[in-house]
Amino acid sequence: DQQVKQNSPSLSVQEGRISILNCDYTNSMFDYFLWYKKYPAEGPTFLISISSIKDKNEDGRFTVFLNKSAKHLSLHIVPSQPGDSAVYFCAASDRVRATNKLIFGTGTLLAVQP
Amino acid sequence: SAVISQKPSRDICQRGTSLTIQCQVDSQVTMMFWYRQQPGQSLTLIATANQGSEATYESGFVIDKFPISRPNLTFSTLTVSNMSPEDSSIYLCSVDKGFLEQFFGPGTRLTVL
Repeated sequence: DQQVKQNSPSLSVQEGRISILNCDYTNSMFDYFLWYKKYPAEGPTFLISISSIKDKNEDGRFTVFLNKSAKHLSLHIVPSQPGDSAVYFCAASDRVRATNKLIFGTGTLLAVQP
Repeated sequence: SAVISQKPSRDICQRGTSLTIQCQVDSQVTMMFWYRQQPGQSLTLIATANQGSEATYESGFVIDKFPISRPNLTFSTLTVSNMSPEDSSIYLCSVDKGFLEQFFGPGTRLTVL
């Protein structure tokens, strides 16, 4: 049972445009969500997170939006840069029942074209 | 943040053998985690390793197959025992610095023939 889903395995965007990566979850007990970026031959790198008490969190070019009623979150990258090309994973946590345990989605490969 | 190293970075092993993967952190941490990423799949948590206690394994993973050691607050090992081609994966360790944003090592790419 895949509790965190990223339905788009890949996404291609032109440099300077907006990249929107989507993530859906099924467990309503998840209360903390994270995005990670992964380059080939490297481990995932933490990018940005959001608590369920918020619906938006922004850090520079990266913004995460959370829609709890739809059990959906998205990562917006504006403007997109070629160096953003990587696999992006969303992850979720139920901090009350499973402290520190992260459930990951399958990832979306973002390609930013110069 | 944390700087995490893993050894080996990659290995090719024969069926039936075992491989021990090392994870070293540059600072003391309470919780260390071991994940597996099979080809085309998400990261799946194998177990949580706390220093001074037995590792806690997730559903589908057992200690006989994936024994873990945690001798101190900066080091852990994961052994993949009696390997089969289905164990071919990237194995990653991560640490939690107390803020839920886990920091990952570079991974160990294992191929079992």
